Amino acid sequence: GEDVEQSLFLSVREGDSSVINCTYTDSSSTYLYWYKQEPGAGLQLLTYIFSNMDMKQDQRLTVLLNKKDKHLSLRIADTQTGDSAIYFCAESRGPDSWGKLQFGAGTQVVVTP
Amino acid sequence: SQTIHQWPATLVQPVGSPLSLECTVEGTSNPNLYWYRQAAGRGLQLLFYSVGIGQISSEVPQNLSASRPQDRQFILSSKKLLLSDSGFYLCAWSKGQGAGEAFFGQGTRLTVV
Repeated sequence: GEDVEQSLFLSVREGDSSVINCTYTDSSSTYLYWYKQEPGAGLQLLTYIFSNMDMKQDQRLTVLLNKKDKHLSLRIADTQTGDSAIYFCAESRGPDSWGKLQFGAGTQVVVTP
Repeated sequence: SQTIHQWPATLVQPVGSPLSLECTVEGTSNPNLYWYRQAAGRGLQLLFYSVGIGQISSEVPQNLSASRPQDRQFILSSKKLLLSDSGFYLCAWSKGQGAGEAFFGQGTRLTVV
């Protein structure tokens, strides 16, 4: 099975908050990342969090990490139609694994007016 | 600033034909380089990575090969394409330090017919 798991779909109304969840299995994960992919495009790095942190906030984005439960979430405040995309959670397992990321299958986020 | 270029954007090739996808990085030196493949509805799978010229590591057995003839050039090749090689191929680079995040190109949509 997948080392990183995400729900496949999320529908949210414009202006509401979106919460995308991710679970991972490897306790040696050192950095966890959120990427955004728009149709037909590559992946855009949104944010990342080091495994010894609980929370990281960057403008409309808030990342929460529960290392005990191996649970990662991305909250998008005031969701806009431009936030419609696929969001990928990914993990890195230490210096020997920089850039060698384990990805989830992605969560399709659809923002409705 | 660093940029990554990947081409072509789309490619339709017959079964049994050769393949060459090219990726170049600008604005940095000695990057770690990666080829990922994204199957439809799935996350990304790491195919190859390189920490230097001529140094290639393969993550999964397959019909493809990679080469790094120059510091900032990474090439994905096949001598004879299979139908199962169809997918979205993404090149990425990483500094190999810090947070280890990977930065992606815009991808190549390969369809083998």
